[in-house]
Amino acid sequence: GESVGLHLPTLSVQEGDNSIINCAYSNSASDYFIWYKQESGKGPQFIIDIRSNMDKRQGQRVTVLLNKTVKHLSLQIAATQPGDSAVYFCAENRRNYGQNFVFGPGTRLSVLP
Amino acid sequence: GAVVSQHPSRVICKSGTSVKIECRSLDFQATTMFWYRQFPKKSLMLMATSNEGSKATYEQGVEKDKFLINHASLTLSTLTVTSAHPEDSSFYICSASVKTGSGSEQYFGPGTRLTVT
Repeated sequence: GESVGLHLPTLSVQEGDNSIINCAYSNSASDYFIWYKQESGKGPQFIIDIRSNMDKRQGQRVTVLLNKTVKHLSLQIAATQPGDSAVYFCAENRRNYGQNFVFGPGTRLSVLP
Repeated sequence: GAVVSQHPSRVICKSGTSVKIECRSLDFQATTMFWYRQFPKKSLMLMATSNEGSKATYEQGVEKDKFLINHASLTLSTLTVTSAHPEDSSFYICSASVKTGSGSEQYFGPGTRLTVT
C-alpha cells in the first residue's frame, strides 16, 4: 500500500509476468490522472493518462484503471521486462485548480530475471 | 515530442554560495513551469509555480527569498538557490506545461542534482 513519509513500497515481479501498481488518490474533485515512470537519477517520464469520464485506458503493454468510487488508480504492465524496473508515480490534477499535479508517494518496481 | 532540458545536470557547491538552475522547453512554448524537489526515495514535492512575466507562486513552507524563480520567457525558467546549505542538497526537477483543448500536458526535465558541501 501507499504511505507518505516512509520508504517506497516495492513490488517485485518475475520477468514476463504482469505487474499491477496501485495508487490511492486524495481528492474526489480530481479529474485527470497520469502515471509516470522515473528511473534512477532521471526526471519522470509520461506513461499513460486517463480522465475521470473513463474507467479504463490502454496503451502499449500498459493499462490504467480508474475507480472513482473508492478513489483508486492502478497501472497494469503486461509481460514485464527488465527495462520496466523503475519507480512509478501516479499524479492527480483537479479541473480549474491550475495546472499543478499532486504526486503520490511512488512504488518501486523490481523485475527479477 | 516535447522536450524539456535542465542545466546543469549535476552541481556541487560550497555552503553560503548561490546556484542557478535553468529549465528550458526546447521545442514548444510553456504557459507555465513548475519546480519540484525530490529527496532520495521520496516523491516529488512542488516548490513553486512559475508563469512567464509574473511572480512565482510558492507552496507553503518554501522560502521565496531562498529559492528565487525567474521566468523570463515562454521557454526559460531559472531557479536560484541562494546561500545554499547542506540541507538544500536534493534533486531539483522542473516541468513545463502546455494547455490543450481538454486540459494540460506536463513535460518533465531530467533533473538537477545539487550537492552542498
